[in-house]
Order: sequence, then C-alpha cells, then structure tokens
Amino acid sequence: DAKTTQPPSMDCAEGRAANLPCNHSTISGNEYVYWYRQIHSQGPQYIIHGLKNNETNEMASLIITEDRKSSTLILPHATLRDTAVYYCIVRVANSGGSNYKLTFGKGTLLTVNP
Amino acid sequence: GAGVSQSPSNKVTEKGKDVELRCDPISGHTALYWYRQSLGQGLEFLIYFQGNSAPDKSGLPSDRFSAERTGGSVSTLTIQRTQQEDSAVYLCASSLVSGQGSFFGPGTRLTVL
Repeated sequence: DAKTTQPPSMDCAEGRAANLPCNHSTISGNEYVYWYRQIHSQGPQYIIHGLKNNETNEMASLIITEDRKSSTLILPHATLRDTAVYYCIVRVANSGGSNYKLTFGKGTLLTVNP
Repeated sequence: GAGVSQSPSNKVTEKGKDVELRCDPISGHTALYWYRQSLGQGLEFLIYFQGNSAPDKSGLPSDRFSAERTGGSVSTLTIQRTQQEDSAVYLCASSLVSGQGSFFGPGTRLTVL
C-alpha cells in the first residue's frame, strides 16, 4: 500500500470547519483513500473513503485532487467530540489477500477548542 | 448486535500464562482483522481472515500468537506463554468483502504482570 503523510497535529475552533490534509503521492490507480479516526480510549471509527470523485456523508466530506496525490478530509462544523487522531490510509479495494490490510500511520491529532 | 463485540473488555494475567481473546464480527461481514495497539503507539496489524481463504498471518509477532475463525464468524486470538511486552489493546475489525470501511470493536485491554 502507498504511504501517506499527515501533519502530526492541528487545532480547530469549535463550530468551524476542520480541514485535514493528507499526501499520498505514490498512490496507484486502483487504490482508494480511506479515513478513520480514533477518539481517546476507543477503537478506530471508519469515516469515509473515495477513489477519485469527491465524497460526502453524514460525518464528513472527502476532497481528492485531480492527480489523486493528495486529499483533504473536511469536518464542516467541528465539535469538541471530534477531537481525535485522524488516519488517512490508501488501500486497494475489491481485491483479495493482504491487499485488504489497513496500514495505519501516526495520523493527525485534531484538537477542537471551545 | 449491531456492531463488532469483543470479550473480555479487560484481561489481567501473569507472565507465562495463556490467554484467549474473542471477537464477534458484524453479521454477514466476511473479512475479519486483528490489530493491537500498545500504549501511545499506532495500530499494528496482526492477522486477517477473508471467507474460506487462508488467513494472512504476516503480522503475528511470534509463534506464541495464533488465531482461528470458526464457521466464518467468531474469531479467537490466542497468546501462549504471555510476556510483558504483549500488554496492549487488542482490536478486532470486520468488513464486507466489497472494500467498504472496516468497523472496529471496543478492544480487549490485556495487561501482563
């Protein structure tokens, strides 16, 4: 799986949009971008994933650049409960064997401040 | 239940003892993963099951670790002759084979004294 690069930490004011960047310059054409988060003392939580089109769900939006070498996770109105470590992962989907393995990096610690 | 469940939630054991950790994945999910997370560290992949295929054991740290998945559902992770460095939170996740997001359980916190 391609490696990803994320800033180690970010701060955001409550109620404002949080924009979390991720670089994945070596991504392959069949690799998806997945985002997970881990709130302190809890298991990771799936947020969203996409291939090349922008995606939106009830939790967040995912913006992927046209060359697919980077992406941004957007939390439109951050709350204190969104404070967590956010992981950006690239992985092949719809394939067997170890390609389903999620390889977690160090992620970005997002702190939402009141 | 609606999510992935794991038991026990906490396990304290003495060095040298064997432990078994259980994972009940989401019904219908064919892929099942085990990870562990040591204090202050990232997630470390251990093993992956996909349907009836041979499991990917590439992440198991030693031959003291083994896992099985019976009937394509419940999985058990066994650690033999536990060592203090085995202390961690052991996380189980499941997903549909179609490559949708993986859903994690709450984890089992293992402490080896």
